[in-house]
Amino acid sequence: DGGITQSPKYLFRKEGQNVTLSCEQNLNHDAMYWYRQDPGQGLRLIYYSQIVNDFQKGDIAEGYSVSREKKESFPLTVTSAQKNPTAFYLCASSMWQGSSGNTIYFGEGSWLTVV
Amino acid sequence: QKEVEQNSGPLSVPEGAIASLNCTYSDRGSQSFFWYRQYSGKSPELIMSIYSNGDKEDGRFTAQLNKASQYVSLLIRDSQPSDSATYLCAVLNRDDKIIFGKGTRLHILP
Repeated sequence: DGGITQSPKYLFRKEGQNVTLSCEQNLNHDAMYWYRQDPGQGLRLIYYSQIVNDFQKGDIAEGYSVSREKKESFPLTVTSAQKNPTAFYLCASSMWQGSSGNTIYFGEGSWLTVV
Repeated sequence: QKEVEQNSGPLSVPEGAIASLNCTYSDRGSQSFFWYRQYSGKSPELIMSIYSNGDKEDGRFTAQLNKASQYVSLLIRDSQPSDSATYLCAVLNRDDKIIFGKGTRLHILP
């Protein structure tokens, strides 16, 4: 089946640890995104990538890092510099960015909790 | 700041009635508009997209766009309890960024 797969679904992080959230898509989409959602809040863009080996910061990139070595994969690392990482993380992809008709599709999300 | 505004709700609608969800956006150069439904604890799922002024219908859902007023709405006819969710409005602006509103919580009363 075509889609966007995020893993793990639930993750617990100790203070001072880095953790990496995986995102893989087999939709042949060019653009990929990471959003953060806090309870009762909207989606905030962390990073996005339009092509392989290139990515841009979103609105809340501090404390996060990404890579785009393959078209299918866009992992997100939550570093120890992110002081309040507990949230719901959503990976998304789209055919291309900047064209009328562009549509974003989401993975199932990953819940990160700091313990 | 280019923004997308939605009433947070909750909007309570009797079962079988029409639910009307509204969204305004600040960037007059926005090109594409989307409505997503998000159940509690789940990821958003696309309901409809609309690109030109007027109405677009898909089953019980109708999206309405008025670019002059910078306004987009979603109508849900014959509301069902399963329609109870948060509805997110999203706009592709002239900077090629998709901006999401904070969502409107809809509660369908049985």
